Amino acid sequence: TQLLEQSPQFLSIQEGENLTVYCNSSSVFSSLQWYRQEPGEGPVLLVTVVTGGEVKKLKRLTFQFGDARKDSSLHITAAQPGDTGLYLCAFRDSGGYQKVTFGTGTKLQVIP
Amino acid sequence: EAQVTQNPRYLITVTGKKLTVTCSQNMNHEYMSWYRQDPGLGLRQIYYSMNVEVTDKGDVPEGYKVSRKEKRNFPLILESPSPNQTSLYFCASSLIGPTNTGELFFGEGSRLTVL
Repeated sequence: TQLLEQSPQFLSIQEGENLTVYCNSSSVFSSLQWYRQEPGEGPVLLVTVVTGGEVKKLKRLTFQFGDARKDSSLHITAAQPGDTGLYLCAFRDSGGYQKVTFGTGTKLQVIP
Repeated sequence: EAQVTQNPRYLITVTGKKLTVTCSQNMNHEYMSWYRQDPGLGLRQIYYSMNVEVTDKGDVPEGYKVSRKEKRNFPLILESPSPNQTSLYFCASSLIGPTNTGELFFGEGSRLTVL
């Protein structure tokens, strides 16, 4: 089983600060997804990255896929209280979308 | 409205009393999956299904059963629940195939407590 390690595990910051969350593995991914989970709800997809070195932007969120496709990062600019939640990276088996493995998650709290 | 529906949302039961958590999706997705979420361990896959009558074990299948008799439904069965199965359970579904992102759509979760 491929393991996805996320860091930091917890993050508490003030509104307006910037932050970066990391997702790492020793194995190569065919693609990687980022989800956000709010309390009492299921995770919701934010983005899928496929190409090594790819950068995708979603408003104040910037996602990067490492050149070697073994790691990814999520950068949030000027965090807002609405960004509070659990951020999860995940990958799907390249051989047919069978298994989806999730990282352990980063719990983010943005204080107003 | 496109959705994944799980029932029950909350359940307290006792060791050994068989229970079923239902999951239904209205998006005609081929792929369905069950996860459990525990503090510090993230989401771990229990079972998944690629289509009707096709199921396979995930990373933590012990103590669970599933069935996929219809495309829309994927119930999770605990034949003899034990306290270590106390957890938050999520059902998810997605399309499969090379032309889509493989986005997983999740239900709202079922919190199970086994005493």
